[in-house]
Amino acid sequence: AQSVAQPEDQVNVAEGNPLTVKCTYSVSGNPYLFWYVQYPNRGLQFLLKYITGDNLVKGSYGFEAEFNKSQTSFHLKKPSALVSDSALYFCAVRDIRGRAAGNKLTFGGGTRVLVKP
Amino acid sequence: DAGITQSPRYKITETGRQVTLMCHQTWSHSYMFWYRQDLGHGLRLIYYSAAADITDKGEVPDGYVVSRSKTENFPLTLESATRSQTSVYFCASSAQGQSSQYFGPGTRLTVT
Repeated sequence: AQSVAQPEDQVNVAEGNPLTVKCTYSVSGNPYLFWYVQYPNRGLQFLLKYITGDNLVKGSYGFEAEFNKSQTSFHLKKPSALVSDSALYFCAVRDIRGRAAGNKLTFGGGTRVLVKP
Repeated sequence: DAGITQSPRYKITETGRQVTLMCHQTWSHSYMFWYRQDLGHGLRLIYYSAAADITDKGEVPDGYVVSRSKTENFPLTLESATRSQTSVYFCASSAQGQSSQYFGPGTRLTVT
């Protein structure tokens, strides 16, 4: 079975400071990894993904994520957080089971980010 | 306007009633998905579909029924709603060969 863990329910950071949201995964084969963001009363928005290639992936809104195969991690980072980055962040891994296997995602429990002015 | 839409956005229903949540996408994506979002559980997959007339169970399918007679629509029906089905429901779609999913705005369902 494939799974994703986000060990922190909430991350608090001061505006202008670096932001890191942690994610670890477990898959049987090569992982496809994703980060999504959810603002209040909205659906999830795609931030970035890792499929193959460079371990450092750049995405929307200045976010990036580093794939680390040996540590089975895919942490989300932003060098300088903004108050507007306050939201719920989800890590996800692509699931390979079932007929729609190629596109199924398994999500972590989410991490709430609060950026204080 | 193109994209993925859900209706209704908010719904209150009584225990035992049947309720259908609608999902419509204008991209002609092959894949469509239904998730529920609950505190402490993140997003859990209810049902998914690889194409019209092809559906399969996800992680938490009990109490739900889906159909996909047309590529663009993927309705989710609660045959006899229970309080435990109070949740926020998200529909998503994905194109063939594309790994990212695109989410609708969600439906907040309350079962009293």
